[in-house]
Amino acid sequence: SFVLTQPPSVSVAPGQTATITCGGNNIESKSVHWYLQKPGQVPVLVVYDDSARPSGIRERFSGSNSGNTATLTISRVEAGDEADYYCQVWDSSSDHYVFGTGTKVTVL
Amino acid sequence: QVTLKESGPALVKPTQTLTLTCAFSGFSLSTSGVRVSWIRQPPGKALEWLARIDWDDEIVYSPSLNTRLAISKGTSKNQVVLTVTNVGPFDTATYYCARAYSGTHFDDWGQGTLVTVSS
Repeated sequence: SFVLTQPPSVSVAPGQTATITCGGNNIESKSVHWYLQKPGQVPVLVVYDDSARPSGIRERFSGSNSGNTATLTISRVEAGDEADYYCQVWDSSSDHYVFGTGTKVTVL
Repeated sequence: QVTLKESGPALVKPTQTLTLTCAFSGFSLSTSGVRVSWIRQPPGKALEWLARIDWDDEIVYSPSLNTRLAISKGTSKNQVVLTVTNVGPFDTATYYCARAYSGTHFDDWGQGTLVTVSS
């Protein structure tokens, strides 16, 4: 089955840019979606279809997808952005959903 | 407004069958393209997709658990039920139901229900 690999952790200073990667074989052929999950809370969709933002999600969250890596970028990081972030795809060949391993973002 | 809410036992003994119900409102599972999935998250670990049921009654299971899972529409048209047979401590997790309106990603999630498997 399709595997999505994320770095376990990313640390970033307030005001800087956080980059979270999601690796998968030829992932650019799939639509990648991103969720953030704060401790004790429900996952929230922040980017879908590689780079689209749901209503209410700030422009500081952006996504891209190329080759074997999809990327979630958080600009002008704030303390409130501390959370776990997960990428996700729907693998059409198997008709299964797959989540990434998750990345904990720490704001220094 | 779309809402989903999971319910089920908080504690289950090993080898028993776990039955969870997802009650939803604000959408219809009869609408073309709508899918409802179950997703779980062991404490401190990543999200894991388990199973999906579609508006047209198509059902798909995670390959890692498909022999122990069953998903169905509930007796109420606004319910989806998941059963997990022969549970073990490794099934301890928060179980979420979630809607995929366009089919590829999860727009709306329930609050989750924590299930502990222990004797």
